[in-house]
Amino acid sequence: LAKTTQPISMDSYEGQEVNITCSHNNIATNDYITWYQQFPSQGPRFIIQGYKTKVTNEVASLFIPADRKSSTLSLPRVSLSDTAVYYCLVGRLSGAGSYQLTFGKGTKLSVIP
Amino acid sequence: NAGVTQTPKFQVLKTGQSMTLQCAQDMNHNSMYWYRQDPGMGLRLIYYSASEGTTDKGEVPNGYNVSRLNKREFSLRLESAAPSQTSVYFCASSSIRTGRDGYTFGSGTRLTVV
Repeated sequence: LAKTTQPISMDSYEGQEVNITCSHNNIATNDYITWYQQFPSQGPRFIIQGYKTKVTNEVASLFIPADRKSSTLSLPRVSLSDTAVYYCLVGRLSGAGSYQLTFGKGTKLSVIP
Repeated sequence: NAGVTQTPKFQVLKTGQSMTLQCAQDMNHNSMYWYRQDPGMGLRLIYYSASEGTTDKGEVPNGYNVSRLNKREFSLRLESAAPSQTSVYFCASSSIRTGRDGYTFGSGTRLTVV
């Protein structure tokens, strides 16, 4: 499974756009890139997933360059409630038919009033 | 719509005791997973079940056993608890094949072994 590297922590003021970049140099052809959000004492929550180019949903955007060796999660106009740990994951369908994901330590985002 | 339900939410065990963590999902997902999360760390995969009737080891399976009871339920058993197994345990499930809808996680079981 591909290893990911992302900043340990980031600070942002309320209302700003936040971009968290993740590198995954050994991503394989069949790998998808997925981002999760985790609040204290809760399980991670799926945010967005992509394979290439740009994906946007009601919560975030995900930018993936052509070489797919990195990806950037963009959170528009963050609020205090966006303070959480954000995980970048790269995973693929296993031979057994399940989709295995490896979690790193994530990026702790702190939103400041 | 409950999603993934884990029981119990909290548990304290003495070293050497056994217990089973229960997990059930109501989303008709094929695949289910057990992760553990230690303070300041990411989640590590213990066991997973690609489909009913199959289970496989993950990154940290030692000291654990699992049972995929049916499509809805996936239990994790600690036969002889050790202090090193103090952690928060998360169960998750995912939809078939590509998992493109992502994982749905339960709210976790906080286990302390003394």
